[in-house]
Amino acid sequence: EAGVAQSPRYKIIEKRQSVAFWCNPISGHATLYWYQQILGQGPKLLIQFQNNGVVDDSQLPKDRFSAERLKGVDSTLKIQPAKLEDSAVYLCASSPTLVGYQETQYFGPGTRLLVL
Amino acid sequence: AQSVAQPEDQVNVAEGNPLTVKCTYSVSGNPYLFWYVQYPNRGLQFLLKYITGDNLVKGSYGFEAEFNKSQTSFHLKKPSALVSDSALYFCAVRDEANDYKLSFGAGTTVTVRA
Repeated sequence: EAGVAQSPRYKIIEKRQSVAFWCNPISGHATLYWYQQILGQGPKLLIQFQNNGVVDDSQLPKDRFSAERLKGVDSTLKIQPAKLEDSAVYLCASSPTLVGYQETQYFGPGTRLLVL
Repeated sequence: AQSVAQPEDQVNVAEGNPLTVKCTYSVSGNPYLFWYVQYPNRGLQFLLKYITGDNLVKGSYGFEAEFNKSQTSFHLKKPSALVSDSALYFCAVRDEANDYKLSFGAGTTVTVRA
C-alpha cells in the first residue's frame, strides 16, 4: 500500500514569509498528525485530526501556525509569518482509527524547512 | 507527565557485533512503548511496539526489544549489526494519562562500521 505522501520535500524561505505544507495520509486512515522535528530532538506533536475534526492542537503556536483537513483526507499546515526558529522538519503521520494505546502511526518522508 | 530518555546520543559498533540502544521511560499509568528508525532525509519507520504480554518483542529487520517494568526500560537490541543499520533511532511512549499522545526521546545515532 502507498505510504504517507508529503510535499514539498524541501523549502527555503526568508523570515516573515509564509509557507504551506501538504500531506496525503495512507488511504482509509482516519487520524492524521503533524509533528515538528527540530535538529537534535525527537518529533513534537503540533496537531492531531480525527477525520476533519481537530482532536488536539494544544502545542500548535496558533498565532502563526494553522492547519486544516477539510474533507477528512489530505491536510495542509501553514506558517505565517515564519520565524528563524521554525526551521525544522515537518512530519506528517497517519493511523487507522482514533488514537488508542496500541495504534501505530505511519510517517511520511517529511518537509525540511529552512528559514533565513 | 510522561517522558522518554535515551541516555546515549551515539552508539558505535562493529558489523557483526551485538547492538543495544537504550531507552527508559516515565509514565503515570501503563506504558505503551514504540521504537522507530529514521534514515537520512526520510521519515520515521516503525520497528516494533510493546503493548502487553511477552516482555520480549520482535520487530522488523531482526530487531527486538525487552520491556522491563522494574527498571522502566525498553532497550532495543539486534544480535548482529549490519552497516545498513546505521541510522537515527527513536524510542517513544504513550499512556492514558496523557491522552495516548506519542512522546519521543531525543534519539540515538547508531553507526555500524564495516
